[in-house]
Amino acid sequence: GNSVTQMEGPVTLSEEAFLTINCTYTATGYPSLFWYVQYPGEGLQLLLKATKADDKGSNKGFEATYRKETTSFHLEKGSVQVSDSAVYFCALSGGSGYSTLTFGKGTMLLVSP
Amino acid sequence: SQTIHQWPATLVQPVGSPLSLECTVEGTSNPNLYWYRQAAGRGLQLLFYSVGIGQISSEVPQNLSASRPQDRQFILSSKKLLLSDSGFYLCAWRRDRPYEQYFGPGTRLTVT
Repeated sequence: GNSVTQMEGPVTLSEEAFLTINCTYTATGYPSLFWYVQYPGEGLQLLLKATKADDKGSNKGFEATYRKETTSFHLEKGSVQVSDSAVYFCALSGGSGYSTLTFGKGTMLLVSP
Repeated sequence: SQTIHQWPATLVQPVGSPLSLECTVEGTSNPNLYWYRQAAGRGLQLLFYSVGIGQISSEVPQNLSASRPQDRQFILSSKKLLLSDSGFYLCAWRRDRPYEQYFGPGTRLTVT
């Protein structure tokens, strides 16, 4: 079946530091890949997505590239802000299951001023 | 544009009491709908999903149930709450390809 593995957190950074959150996946077929962000006490928001190999999703300074050869979708941002502190979830759909999303366990990011 | 609502936003209930959480979606028709639970400090657990009125798939056997009485309404229920039912409950709807889901604001349930 499908699975998503994320790096465990929390990831602690200073403001303006470079961010990478690793995500690797296992799926049959050609899944679509997503990053969601969850701010404290809120629901999940779709941050970015990529639907095929070599696609780059981007939003709000965050980027992730769909790497089929390494089955990865790492999230990056060149300069984080305190307001980026949140939990980030990597997810996939398609592959062997189109009705549901498969989520990683989430990575907490803490950015200090 | 599409909007998803959940209520109540917070709920404190005693053990053994019933539960009803409601989710409604606006601006789309015949969406796939989902209920998730998020325990404190944990990831997302898919509880139920529905592809149409009256069609419910259960992912985790437990004392919760779900119903879909109308196209854009999804209800999560329990006859008798357990302490372990405490958590943050999220409803979501799914867009067609590439199948991303959009989440509601959530309901924080505390069972005492």
